[in-house]
Amino acid sequence: EAQVTQNPRYLITVTGKKLTVTCSQNMNHEYMSWYRQDPGLGLRQIYYSMNVEVTDKGDVPEGYKVSRKEKRNFPLILESPSPNQTSLYFCASSFNLGGRDEQYFGPGTRLTVT
Amino acid sequence: AQSVAQPEDQVNVAEGNPLTVKCTYSVSGNPYLFWYVQYPNRGLQFLLKYITGDNLVKGSYGFEAEFNKSQTSFHLKKPSALVSDSALYFCAVRDGVNQGGKLIFGQGTELSVKP
Repeated sequence: EAQVTQNPRYLITVTGKKLTVTCSQNMNHEYMSWYRQDPGLGLRQIYYSMNVEVTDKGDVPEGYKVSRKEKRNFPLILESPSPNQTSLYFCASSFNLGGRDEQYFGPGTRLTVT
Repeated sequence: AQSVAQPEDQVNVAEGNPLTVKCTYSVSGNPYLFWYVQYPNRGLQFLLKYITGDNLVKGSYGFEAEFNKSQTSFHLKKPSALVSDSALYFCAVRDGVNQGGKLIFGQGTELSVKP
């Protein structure tokens, strides 16, 4: 089954404790992206990757890191989480057809930082 | 800079009536426009997109959207709403000329369809 998987689905952590949210897709997509969803703000793009070893900042990259060492994986790293990073996070992927292709979204990761 | 506006936080419709969810956009080049739907506790699902060609685009679950270049709008429509259409709807835009990776979403519109 074609899908985007994220782990963990739920995470409660404390300020400053490094964490990684994994994202994996099995559709051989070149493009992958991370978003955060907050009430009243919709989805905001954190980072995206056009292909392996190619990443770029979205609109809200501060406090986050990403890497794209393999085509299928695109982990999101919070080196020192803070309470304002409490949010619902989505990973998405698509073929990179000049931006024309729709994205497939993962089920989401609900992160709480206390 | 790219931007998307969904002017209504919530839209309420009676089952069987037509529905419209509004979206306006701003990009410097040609827009690539998308609609996604989010059901409770789920990720987003693609509904339809406009890239080029016919201004009326048909998508999943009986939804359609009309691209209006002069009004910079891409409103989502359905002739007859179902209770199961109740969900959160997002409009998104990408600048087709620059072909970068940035995708901008609107803040979302909560659609409620009552029996």
